[in-house]
Amino acid sequence: EAGVVQSPRYKIIEKKQPVAFWCNPISGHNTLYWYRQNLGQGPELLIRYENEEAVDDSQLPKDRFSAERLKGVDSTLKIQPAELGDSAVYLCASSLNGRASGIGELFFGEGSRLTVL
Amino acid sequence: GQQLNQSPQSMFIQEGEDVSMNCTSSSIFNTWLWYKQDPGEGPVLLIALYKAGELTSNGRLTAQFGITRKDSFLNISASIPSDVGIYFCAVMNYGGSQGNLIFGKGTKLSVKP
Repeated sequence: EAGVVQSPRYKIIEKKQPVAFWCNPISGHNTLYWYRQNLGQGPELLIRYENEEAVDDSQLPKDRFSAERLKGVDSTLKIQPAELGDSAVYLCASSLNGRASGIGELFFGEGSRLTVL
Repeated sequence: GQQLNQSPQSMFIQEGEDVSMNCTSSSIFNTWLWYKQDPGEGPVLLIALYKAGELTSNGRLTAQFGITRKDSFLNISASIPSDVGIYFCAVMNYGGSQGNLIFGKGTKLSVKP
């Protein structure tokens, strides 16, 4: 079974440029998450989707970040314009059921490492 | 917001030694999890704990969910080089209608052959 696929693995851009990350979750997983992981820190949630609906985007900096999951499968995360502080690893994860069932098992992709110069 | 405190921040041990790390919170959580992250990879779930006082093992790993529901520890017995990585505790935050995972800052484990 294929895992969570993310691209690109690495991206280097200059500040004020746009950037986009793509994620394809595990087949059949209805819940998709985008996390940001700064160096030396744990992952922090940006947005969670249940199917195509964004059910929690409270931590997403909406002035420059946007995300979509149009058909309830793959998703894109965009930053426009990027700032120096956006340098981080952007992790996508999926799970079979996002309900508060106590399972908590998220399957993560390898991440997209962004460097903003 | 909620914060998880993991200790130690890093550990350097000899192969074969046992390892112990813990995670505390000022708030009560009903689900505690331990993830491991290898370099260049995403975190992978090791153990999930759903009941206060629960002690769960997964091979050489043992984790306990504190009776106060504010802490958890993870033990690794007889460490081997492939145990190297960053270990994160996480809790399920049931704010709103669904759950989100909140991660600690991690414990970085280095194993000397």
